[in-house]
Amino acid sequence: EAQVTQNPRYLITVTGKKLTVTCSQNMNHEYMSWYRQDPGLGLRQIYYSMNVEVTDKGDVPEGYKVSRKEKRNFPLILESPSPNQTSLYFCASRPGWASGKRETQYFGPGTRLLVL
Amino acid sequence: QKEVEQNSGPLSVPEGAIASLNCTYSDRGSQSFFWYRQYSGKSPELIMFIYSNGDKEDGRFTAQLNKASQYVSLLIRDSQPSDSATYLCAVIPGGDRGSTLGRLYFGRGTQLTVWP
Repeated sequence: EAQVTQNPRYLITVTGKKLTVTCSQNMNHEYMSWYRQDPGLGLRQIYYSMNVEVTDKGDVPEGYKVSRKEKRNFPLILESPSPNQTSLYFCASRPGWASGKRETQYFGPGTRLLVL
Repeated sequence: QKEVEQNSGPLSVPEGAIASLNCTYSDRGSQSFFWYRQYSGKSPELIMFIYSNGDKEDGRFTAQLNKASQYVSLLIRDSQPSDSATYLCAVIPGGDRGSTLGRLYFGRGTQLTVWP
């Protein structure tokens, strides 16, 4: 089954304690992204990756890190979480432009993060 | 900052009516346009995409794009209670394909309620 998985689904942590949210896709997609969703603000892109070792900032990258060492995985790292990073996070993936199916973006189920 | 604006809603229509959702975007060079549906507590799912001016129909859904006026709309005919959700407009900006294809800007969403 084609899917994007995220772990953990729910996380409560404290300010300053490093954490990693994993994301994995099994569709061999080139593009992967991280978004955060906050009430009244919609979905905002944090980082995206166009392929292995190629990443770029989205609209709200401050306080986050990413890496793309393998095509299937795109972890999101919060080195020193703060309460303003409390949010709902989505990972997403989609094929490259040449695939002819570039519009088909798959979202993971989301990770609810609470930073105390 | 590329902006995507949606009619704020919430929008409430009776079952069987046509629901009309609107979206405007600031980047005149934007190249691809998407409508996502998001049920409460779930991840977004793609329902329509459109690249060229005009109308595109898929079942009860019609997407309309007018690049000169920089707006894209979604019409839902014969609305059903199961269509009750938040609808998100998303846009891939203009620019060099290699650097922009990973970007996706979302509007804040319009909440639709279809009452029986």
